[in-house]
Amino acid sequence: AQSVSQHNHHVILSEAASLELGCNYSYGGTVNLFWYVQYPGQHLQLLLKYFSGDPLVKGIKGFEAEFIKSKFSFNLRKPSVQWSDTAEYFCAVNPPNSGNTPLVFGKGTRLSVIA
Amino acid sequence: DGGITQSPKYLFRKEGQNVTLSCEQNLNHDAMYWYRQDPGQGLRLIYYSQIVNDFQKGDIAEGYSVSREKKESFPLTVTSAQKNPTAFYLCASSNPPGLAGGSTDTQYFGPGTRLTVL
Repeated sequence: AQSVSQHNHHVILSEAASLELGCNYSYGGTVNLFWYVQYPGQHLQLLLKYFSGDPLVKGIKGFEAEFIKSKFSFNLRKPSVQWSDTAEYFCAVNPPNSGNTPLVFGKGTRLSVIA
Repeated sequence: DGGITQSPKYLFRKEGQNVTLSCEQNLNHDAMYWYRQDPGQGLRLIYYSQIVNDFQKGDIAEGYSVSREKKESFPLTVTSAQKNPTAFYLCASSNPPGLAGGSTDTQYFGPGTRLTVL
């Protein structure tokens, strides 16, 4: 079955460490890619998205993600994490030619940043 | 203030009872969605609607029902047939690509309703 995979279930980092969260998808063709974040007790928010163009996408709060088509990957990165980045992160894909159909989400990665 | 509202925030239900979760949006979006979030499972799609008076089943529709009588409203009923209804329920909306003023395919989420069956 076609899917979205997030390899890390729970990541624990110290403040100022660098972050990379993996996301792979199994759809062929042109896809739209998203990272959402869910801070404790808050709405699911869009962190960044890729539709076309530069494969390195900048998002809010210093996050970025790189689309590597040959690897079917869209990994999320941040050079130096802060305690406030503690949250759950979800990768999502809008499958090819699907217009307004639902996103397919990965199972999420919980990030805990410790002082 | 534009956005998506869900009510109630917390809901308790006895086994065997149906319960309806509310979702309202004032973003003028055509499409609306219901997801269920369980720990370690990510978001799983229950139902979605691309236009008023039309909706489709998602991956885990059994034991749930929806209606879409108005563009801004997409209520979800959790029926007694749902075997394991305790979960966090998220509603979202979006516009199709190409509409002026819309973000192509980006889904916007409500704050969620946490349902607990006692």
